[in-house]
Amino acid sequence: AQSVTQLGSHVSVSEGALVLLRCNYSSSVPPYLFWYVQYPNQGLQLLLKYTTGATLVKGINGFEAEFKKSETSFHLTKPSAHMSDAAEYFCAVSDRSNGFQKLVFGTGTRLLVSP
Amino acid sequence: DAGVTQSPTHLIKTRGQQVTLRCSPKSGHDTVSWYQQALGQGPQFIFQYYEEEERQRGNFPDRFSGHQFPNYSSELNVNALLLGDSALYLCASSLAGSASYEQYFGPGTRLTVT
Repeated sequence: AQSVTQLGSHVSVSEGALVLLRCNYSSSVPPYLFWYVQYPNQGLQLLLKYTTGATLVKGINGFEAEFKKSETSFHLTKPSAHMSDAAEYFCAVSDRSNGFQKLVFGTGTRLLVSP
Repeated sequence: DAGVTQSPTHLIKTRGQQVTLRCSPKSGHDTVSWYQQALGQGPQFIFQYYEEEERQRGNFPDRFSGHQFPNYSSELNVNALLLGDSALYLCASSLAGSASYEQYFGPGTRLTVT
């Protein structure tokens, strides 16, 4: 069964610093991987996804992630944090069967950005 | 183009009661999935509907049931509510067979069971 581990329930950075949120996955098939962001009292917004092709994926708001099969990782990065990046971030792997997919999420990482 | 909508936004129920949550998918989407997000946790898959049938189900008891209507909208029903059912319930829509594999999420319904 597919699973996701997010290291660090909280990550604190200063505004302008590098953001690195870690995600490792377990999958019995080639994985489809996703990063979602959740602002307080809101639903989930897709930041970026990896399905096939280029392993470095660029998303919205300056975020990017690199799929590393050998390390079973899909870490999320942003060169320079903004105050508006403070939110909860979820990594997810797609569990596909019979043409349908469901998402298996990690427990999330809360990003705190200080001035 | 309206995204995924859910109603109500918030709901307070008492243990043992029943609740119905509603979801309208993004225009053009035909598949609806429901997720439960407990406080401080990631979303957990409940079930998925396509062509008015349940196609996949997560590890949730039969107290959780659903329905999909011909217009692709969906309902989530929970019977005999427990305190542990308090959570944010998220609806996600997608297009079956789509190569994008994206699920679009609604804002959620916050259910509190007292």
